[in-house]
Parts: sequence; structure tokens; C-alpha cells
Amino acid sequence: DIQMTQSPSTLSASVGDRVTITCRASQSISSWLAWYQQKPGKAPKLLIYKASSLESGVPSRFSGSGSGTEFTLTISSLQPDDFATYYCQQYNSYFRTFGQGTKVEIK
Amino acid sequence: QVQLVQSGAEVKKPGASVKVSCKASGYTFTSYGISWVRQAPGQGLEWMGWISAYNGNTNYAQKLQGRVTMTTDTSTSTAYMELRSLRSDDTAVYYCARVNYDSVIDYWGQGTLVTVSS
Repeated sequence: DIQMTQSPSTLSASVGDRVTITCRASQSISSWLAWYQQKPGKAPKLLIYKASSLESGVPSRFSGSGSGTEFTLTISSLQPDDFATYYCQQYNSYFRTFGQGTKVEIK
Repeated sequence: QVQLVQSGAEVKKPGASVKVSCKASGYTFTSYGISWVRQAPGQGLEWMGWISAYNGNTNYAQKLQGRVTMTTDTSTSTAYMELRSLRSDDTAVYYCARVNYDSVIDYWGQGTLVTVSS
């Protein structure tokens, strides 16, 4: 299986900060990467697909970049609603895999 | 609007089986796939597998091969996930999710808590 590794595992930030989360794949996945946001007790929500395409209705402060094995999710100006856990997922392989998650906490 | 409504929480004993349902509405069921994803308490997301609602083709995570079966009933737009030989580490919230034309999970059910305990 393709392994997905996110860093950091936890991130402390303040409202208004620029935040970047990295996701690395154990082998090339081209641009077949999605990012999800999950809040406690809720189902995940799709933010970004195909590495950099913003899902309809998602605020433009979210952006994704990368290809091959290294990807980033950036929140340009962190808002109170953005404190959550973020997951990357590859869908290049027949067997999909998620990263372990990055929790964005209030500093 | 797209909705995926899952069946209620279950408590099972080790060695038993569980079958979770996921009723879809708001879109053409047979035009999309359904993935199942689980999340153990306090842990991350684990992809379990996928089923085509069009032709029933399946693809299961290797660690669950032989214990999991995913099916669909197109007459009721409902997907099912059955997990057998339950162990305590199968305790988790189980989610169904729609897989769109780009092979991306775009809508999720509300989740079903399955607790395995003696």
C-alpha cells in the first residue's frame, strides 16, 4: 500500500495565521490527492481534490499544491471555524490510504 | 441535496458479525460508487473499500480481505457493509461515503458506531 505521512501531527496557531500542512506519499501519486477537514463528532468534509482543485463552497483561504510525492494544504488566514483535524488521502492506487491527520489547535 | 443516512449504533460480541446500511438520496445511486471508511476512537481515518453501485464491483483493503463484504440494493438505493469475526479493535465509527466521477469521496454519511465488547 502507498503510505501517506502528514506533518506536523499537531499545529498550534492563532486566528489570522498562515498555516501549512504537508503530506508525503511513499511513491508517486501524480496529483491524485484530496484533503479533508474533520471536526469532533462529525464526518469529514472534502476541501481539495486533484491536489489543488477547490471543492465548491469551500472558502478560498484554503489552497492545495504539489504533485508526485509531496503536497501541501495552506490556510491563508486561519479563522475560528478552521480549528479541526485535516487528513490527506491518495486515490492513485487501487487501495486508497489516508494520512494520519494533523490537528490544528488554538494557540 | 445528496444525503447518505446510515443505520444506528450496534453493540456486538467478539466473533459476531455486523451489517451497516447506508441509504442514499438526492442523486442517481447507480452512477456513483460508495466507499466505507472507519475511525477507531481517537484515531485517524481508515479506508475499508469501495463498491460500484453500477455493477457491484468491489475493492477491499488488504487487511480486511476475507472478513468484509460490501453490497448494494439498487431498488432501494442502499449500500451495505458486513464485517465478520469481529474483534475489539474493530470498535469504531463506520462511515459510508459517495465516490464521484473523479474518484474522490465527496459526501459522507453521519457515521455508525460499532462497539465490540464481551
